[in-house]
Amino acid sequence: KNQVEQSPQSLIILEGKNCTLQCNYTVSPFSNLRWYKQDTGRGPVSLTIMTFSENTKSNGRYTATLDADTKQSSLHITASQLSDSASYICVVSSLGAGTALIFGKGTTLSVSS
Amino acid sequence: DVKVTQSSRYLVKRTGEKVFLECVQDMDHENMFWYRQDPGLGLRLIYFSYDVKMKEKGDIPEGYSVSREKKERFSLILESASTNQTSMYLCASSQGGGNSPLHFGNGTRLTVT
Repeated sequence: KNQVEQSPQSLIILEGKNCTLQCNYTVSPFSNLRWYKQDTGRGPVSLTIMTFSENTKSNGRYTATLDADTKQSSLHITASQLSDSASYICVVSSLGAGTALIFGKGTTLSVSS
Repeated sequence: DVKVTQSSRYLVKRTGEKVFLECVQDMDHENMFWYRQDPGLGLRLIYFSYDVKMKEKGDIPEGYSVSREKKERFSLILESASTNQTSMYLCASSQGGGNSPLHFGNGTRLTVT
């Protein structure tokens, strides 16, 4: 069964600290993996996409990694800011009969001052 | 920037009422989607559409129907609202192709009493 598991479920860190969010998947055939950020009261917004051949990709203070062998991805946030407080959702795309999107349940990050 | 607009941020309806949730996108996207988002369950796909007048069931279509009469508009219909349909409803659109991101609206929080 295609599944996406995210950990931790929630996380609280101090402003300025780094953190890493995890995403493990059992999706086949794999097409790509995308991280979304969802601010409270808003819809999710794409942060970055990882394809099979990519290991690391950065978007400002956000760095995503992908290990296609172990089927794991991480999202590292450097020097966190209050505005990083949000839910982060990992979504894996599978190319089978059509394109299926498998959503993780998200990690809720709270950054405090 | 792509804009996906959902007609209502908050709705309160009574059990048994027929409910219409409207969604409009302004980027000529082919694909449109309706999700519901519940705590602990993440986003779940209700219905999607790859073209005008075309619709496909998602993972949880029971109790819902959709309409896509124009390319830019995708409506979700609750034929007879029930309390278990109290949720956050998110509309999204995307271009064709497996690497295209979803662009979400800001959601409609529906309460059925």
